[in-house]
Amino acid sequence: DVKVTQSSRYLVKRTGEKVFLECVQDMDHENMFWYRQDPGLGLRLIYFSYDVKMKEKGDIPEGYSVSREKKERFSLILESASTNQTSMYLCASRDSGQVFSGANVLTFGAGSRLTVL
Amino acid sequence: GIQVEQSPPDLILQEGANSTLRCNFSDSVNNLQWFHQNPWGQLINLFYIPSGTKQNGRLSATTVATERYSLLYISSSQTTDSGVYFCAVEPFYNAGNMLTFGGGTRLMVKP
Repeated sequence: DVKVTQSSRYLVKRTGEKVFLECVQDMDHENMFWYRQDPGLGLRLIYFSYDVKMKEKGDIPEGYSVSREKKERFSLILESASTNQTSMYLCASRDSGQVFSGANVLTFGAGSRLTVL
Repeated sequence: GIQVEQSPPDLILQEGANSTLRCNFSDSVNNLQWFHQNPWGQLINLFYIPSGTKQNGRLSATTVATERYSLLYISSSQTTDSGVYFCAVEPFYNAGNMLTFGGGTRLMVKP
């Protein structure tokens, strides 16, 4: 089974701090994604990456950046954390080689709950 | 972009009851997935179902692509079914890139 591991389950940071959220997958997937989840809003895509050093903005990229230096690792960066970035952050990956098949499913990490004070 | 609406937003069931969750989407899709998020936050894929019907134990799902909706059926519900159910779709015009999620249905199954 694909395993997606997020480095921190819970984080508490102060306003203005730089925050790194790390995500690692172990199945050589090309596509990786960062979502944030807020009550009543479902999951919203922040950024995704379809290959090493490649990235695309999702629906809510403002205030975030990402880094993908290695295929297995996709990092989300909050350059200067703000209280409105308090949320649950979910990383996911999938194999891009089977876009139209049942193998084209997202596998999620356990989530990182970030609180910005 | 594509719009995804799920109903009902909240649902409370007695253990053993059946339920139907609905997902409506605004455009043609090549990918539709149902997920369950447990109370600890872990999201698990339940079905990949861009069209047709699938069953997995007490759960089944049907997508009517021409009418732009999908249904998730839960039969003989158990307390472990509690959590949030999400529908996510990928439109044909953006195939291979990203899934758009609905707002979810929060299910509580009482013993």
